Amino acid sequence: QKEVEQNSGPLSVPEGAIASLNCTYSDRGSQSFFWYRQYSGKSPELIMSIYSNGDKEDGRFTAQLNKASQYVSLLIRDSQPSDSATYLCAAGGGKLQFGAGTQVVVTP
Amino acid sequence: DTEVTQTPKHLVMGMTNKKSLKCEQHMGHRAMYWYKQKAKKPPELMFVYSYEKLSINESVPSRFSPECPNSSLLNLHLHALQPEDSALYLCASSQVDALASTDTQYFGPGTRLTVL
Repeated sequence: QKEVEQNSGPLSVPEGAIASLNCTYSDRGSQSFFWYRQYSGKSPELIMSIYSNGDKEDGRFTAQLNKASQYVSLLIRDSQPSDSATYLCAAGGGKLQFGAGTQVVVTP
Repeated sequence: DTEVTQTPKHLVMGMTNKKSLKCEQHMGHRAMYWYKQKAKKPPELMFVYSYEKLSINESVPSRFSPECPNSSLLNLHLHALQPEDSALYLCASSQVDALASTDTQYFGPGTRLTVL
């Protein structure tokens, strides 16, 4: 059974601080990893994809992948109230496997 | 352009009704997906079409019937649904192949379905 695990939260983050989200996966064959943001009642929106070990930066978002540890993370710098959402980690390489999602709440 | 469109946005139907959900993408993607999402849960895969052929059916009840008329369109026909089928139904598409290891899926806005 392929599994992707995330802390469900809520993760409370002061405005302007760094939010750190973590994700682990069980299938060593997974080759691609995605972070989706989902606002309440809306559909998932792709914010980052990462395929190689190391860091990938896009604006205020940085994804980190460590295949040896089977670990993916997402950092959100200078967190804004608009970042309050559920963040879904997903592993590719066949059917997309989603984690349960981490709820992030950015407090003013 | 990474837009996937879905209609209708909201749908209320009785258990004896027949209705259809529609999804469209103009990105030239060759794989399209239907997901079901319940509140506070991740999306749950239902069907995958690859090059207009059904490639994955995740043991979905026959009251859900998918159709892919062409490479840009995906329908989900609904009949004799149950109240527990109420959920957000998401369509997604990806560029090449449903099982490609690096294929990125893009989601439409979803249809909020309520079964009375």
